[in-house]
Amino acid sequence: EVQLVESGGGLVQPGGSLRLSCAASGFTFSSYEMNWVRQAPGKGLEWVSYISSSGSTIYYADSVKGRFSISRDNAKNSLYLQMNSLRAEDTAVYYCARAGILQSLDYWGQGTLVTVSS
Amino acid sequence: QSVLTQPPSVSGAPGQRVTISCTGSSSNIGAGYDVHWYQQLPGTAPKLLIYYNNNRPSGVPDRFSGSKSGTSASLAITGLQAEDEADYYCQSYDSSLSGSVFGGGTKLTVL
Repeated sequence: EVQLVESGGGLVQPGGSLRLSCAASGFTFSSYEMNWVRQAPGKGLEWVSYISSSGSTIYYADSVKGRFSISRDNAKNSLYLQMNSLRAEDTAVYYCARAGILQSLDYWGQGTLVTVSS
Repeated sequence: QSVLTQPPSVSGAPGQRVTISCTGSSSNIGAGYDVHWYQQLPGTAPKLLIYYNNNRPSGVPDRFSGSKSGTSASLAITGLQAEDEADYYCQSYDSSLSGSVFGGGTKLTVL
C-alpha cells in the first residue's frame, strides 16, 4: 500500500525556517517524481515544487522561489522541503504528492500544518 | 487569482448531472497539456479523480468523467449522490510558469 507521511510542521515566526519531511513507503520511491502542494486555510490548492526521480531536475512556484528548497534521499525513501524566510502568507497545510501518469498526482500524504505568526 | 478558472460553486439534486468547467489559456490547456481532476472531501487530502483528461483511476465510479477541448476542460458527474459533496480541483501544466497549476476549486453541494 502506498503511503506518504509528512512531518515537521509547526508554529514559526516570520523570517524563520522550517524543514518538512515526507516518508514514503509501499512503492519504489527512487522511480517516481515528487511534488509539494500547499493549501492555505479555507483556500484552494497551490503547487509549490517538483523534483525528478533522481533529484537532478527541480522547479518552484514563483511565490517560493529563492526561499524554499526541495530535495530527496532515495536511500531513505524521503522527500524534504527546506523553507526559509517564512512569511505569514506561507501559512498552509503542506502535502507531499507522488507524480503518476503525465504528472497527475496519484497519491497524497495527509498533510502537515505550517503556521507563520508572531 | 488562479491560472485555471473554475466556478466557485455548483449544486444539484440527488440523481442529477452536474458539470464543472476549467478554463485555461494558450500556455497550459490550450498548449495541449493534459488536465487532471481531484476530489477533496471535507477535512481530508485531495484524491485523484480523473487523469489524462478522461481516465479514471481504479476504484473511481464511472459516474465521473472528464473531457477537454481547446483551452478548457470539464468534469461531469452523473447520478449525483450525497457523498459527492466535496471540493473539486482541475490541474494542468503551464509552460510559461514551468510548473503545475491548479484551478481555484469548485464546491459541489448536493441539495
